[in-house]
Amino acid sequence: DGGITQSPKYLFRKEGQNVTLSCEQNLNHDAMYWYRQDPGQGLRLIYYSQIVNDFQKGDIAEGYSVSREKKESFPLTVTSAQKNPTAFYLCASSIWSRTGKSGYTFGSGTRLTVV
Amino acid sequence: QQQVKQSPQSLIVQKGGISIINCAYENTAFDYFPWYQQFPGKGPALLIAIRPDVSEKKEGRFTISFNKSAKQFSLHIMDSQPGDSATYFCAARGAGGTSYGKLTFGQGTILTVHP
Repeated sequence: DGGITQSPKYLFRKEGQNVTLSCEQNLNHDAMYWYRQDPGQGLRLIYYSQIVNDFQKGDIAEGYSVSREKKESFPLTVTSAQKNPTAFYLCASSIWSRTGKSGYTFGSGTRLTVV
Repeated sequence: QQQVKQSPQSLIVQKGGISIINCAYENTAFDYFPWYQQFPGKGPALLIAIRPDVSEKKEGRFTISFNKSAKQFSLHIMDSQPGDSATYFCAARGAGGTSYGKLTFGQGTILTVHP
């Protein structure tokens, strides 16, 4: 089955540590996205990439970095510069069609906790 | 920054009742309006979507009503069931410029359906 796989499901980070969240898709989608979800704040865009080797900052990119070396993969690094990293992180990919089903496909998320 | 405002933040409905969630957007540079359903610990999943040239779309118990002049759209869940208990997000897709193809999400509504 095609889909998006995020790993790990749970991640614990110590103060001052960088951590990398994995996102892999086998849907052959060109665009991929990273969102952060906090209670009562909806989904906020961190970074997105519309093609390989290119990505743009979203609304809350500070303290995060990404890479897009392969179409299937879009890892997110939460750096020590991110002061409040505890959140639920969602990866998505998208396809848009005027006639078929369109929209984002989301992964199951990674819950990151600072300890 | 483009915004989508969603209300209410939480909603409690009795089984068999109608659940109504409202969204409003602030500019006209959107061309597709999906709704997503999210269960705890999972990623959001596309529920139903509408394009701005249509005033209503129905899929089973779920209906989107769209008012282009008022820049508002809403989700109606008929005969609400306990299994509908989830968080619902409205979204709007950017139609051009730097926002092309990106979804802007509302803040989310936590729906609880009592048996």
